[in-house]
Amino acid sequence: AQSVTQPDIHITVSEGASLELRCNYSYGATPYLFWYVQSPGQGLQLLLKYFSGDTLVQGIKGFEAEFKRSQSSFNLRKPSVHWSDAAEYFCAVGAGNTGFQKLVFGTGTRLLVSP
Amino acid sequence: GAVVSQHPSWVICKSGTSVKIECRSLDFQATTMFWYRQFPKQSLMLMATSNEGSKATYEQGVEKDKFLINHASLTLSTLTVTSAHPEDSSFYICSASSDRGSPGELFFGEGSRLTVL
Repeated sequence: AQSVTQPDIHITVSEGASLELRCNYSYGATPYLFWYVQSPGQGLQLLLKYFSGDTLVQGIKGFEAEFKRSQSSFNLRKPSVHWSDAAEYFCAVGAGNTGFQKLVFGTGTRLLVSP
Repeated sequence: GAVVSQHPSWVICKSGTSVKIECRSLDFQATTMFWYRQFPKQSLMLMATSNEGSKATYEQGVEKDKFLINHASLTLSTLTVTSAHPEDSSFYICSASSDRGSPGELFFGEGSRLTVL
């Protein structure tokens, strides 16, 4: 069965500093991987995704993520965090033969941005 | 992008009553919608896949008689929690795919928080 682990429940980063949110997955085949962001009172929004090809994927809002098969990881990064990036971030893997529609989510990482 | 809206945002009900949560695709038609449940500090768990005009497909361990899903139109899916009990208190979220999005992208509602007293 597919699973996703986000080891950090919450992370605090100073504004302007770099960010890396960790995600590890368990899946037997080539995974479909996603990062979603949830701001208070809003629905989850897709930041970026990996299906195949280049293992470094660029997303919206200046985020990027790198797929590392050898480490079963898909960590999210941003070189310079803005206060508006404070939110909950979810990593997800597409499950089964439906690929990207039936998603298995991690528990989320809450990002706090300090002045 | 496409917009998915849920109503109500939060609801409090007495134990034993039924509660209906609506999920609407506001600017696109959604033949398939997904319902999730999220407990505090836990991940979103897929409950069921809602298909327009047919029965929903429930994930293992989800009681279909407890969580009734109806997808009567291309823009509306409803989740009814029947005979709710305190253990049904949770955050319920729906999502849908749209050809307005990139391949594989899902659009999520804001979520509905249910508290059963």
